[in-house]
Amino acid sequence: AQSVTQLDSQVPVFEEAPVELRCNYSSSVSVYLFWYVQYPNQGLQLLLKYLSGSTLVKGINGFEAEFNKSQTSFHLRKPSVHISDTAEYFCAVRDPTGGGNKLTFGTGTQLKVEL
Amino acid sequence: NAGVMQNPRHLVRRRGQEARLRCSPMKGHSHVYWYRQLPEEGLKFMVYLQKENIIDESGMPKERFSAEFPKEGPSILRIQQVVRGDSAAYFCASSLYTGAGGRNTEAFFGQGTRLTVV
Repeated sequence: AQSVTQLDSQVPVFEEAPVELRCNYSSSVSVYLFWYVQYPNQGLQLLLKYLSGSTLVKGINGFEAEFNKSQTSFHLRKPSVHISDTAEYFCAVRDPTGGGNKLTFGTGTQLKVEL
Repeated sequence: NAGVMQNPRHLVRRRGQEARLRCSPMKGHSHVYWYRQLPEEGLKFMVYLQKENIIDESGMPKERFSAEFPKEGPSILRIQQVVRGDSAAYFCASSLYTGAGGRNTEAFFGQGTRLTVV
């Protein structure tokens, strides 16, 4: 079984500042890792994913994440945020040994970008 | 190319009534997943269906909840005799078939149905 921990429930940041949203996971097997964004009253949109290969993954909207196997982390970063980045961000894992796309999500981090 | 379509977007039910939530997957997708998002919480997996088959229902409550994905038509999540604790956002996702180790890994999400039980 896998689990995902997002320690920060809320992260306030000023516009144009850098941001890091933390994600740690627990699993007895290798996993695939994902970050999703949820805007108010919307569904989830995939930001980026790590399957294998380079540990630095680039996604949409200028976001990137780094997979660190030894620390079982997959932190999301953006060098300069915009007001439009205000949203809820979810980290998720998938066990690749089973079929299907069943995801285990963290509890989410609310990013609030202020002027 | 329409994405995952869920309806209704908002649903209000009185305690004891039935709620039916519909999900039409993306064109060509034969696998559907239902998740529930309680207030201030992340999404919790409920059930994974393939057409006419339930693949994994490990996250479904034992009573009052059922799901189906018929050969024709949308997937339906049905909640009988709703209670206030069922108030949540219910999200559907769909994907192509992904076998073990498969890298075709993106699940596309609908906009959700927000169920309010009064």
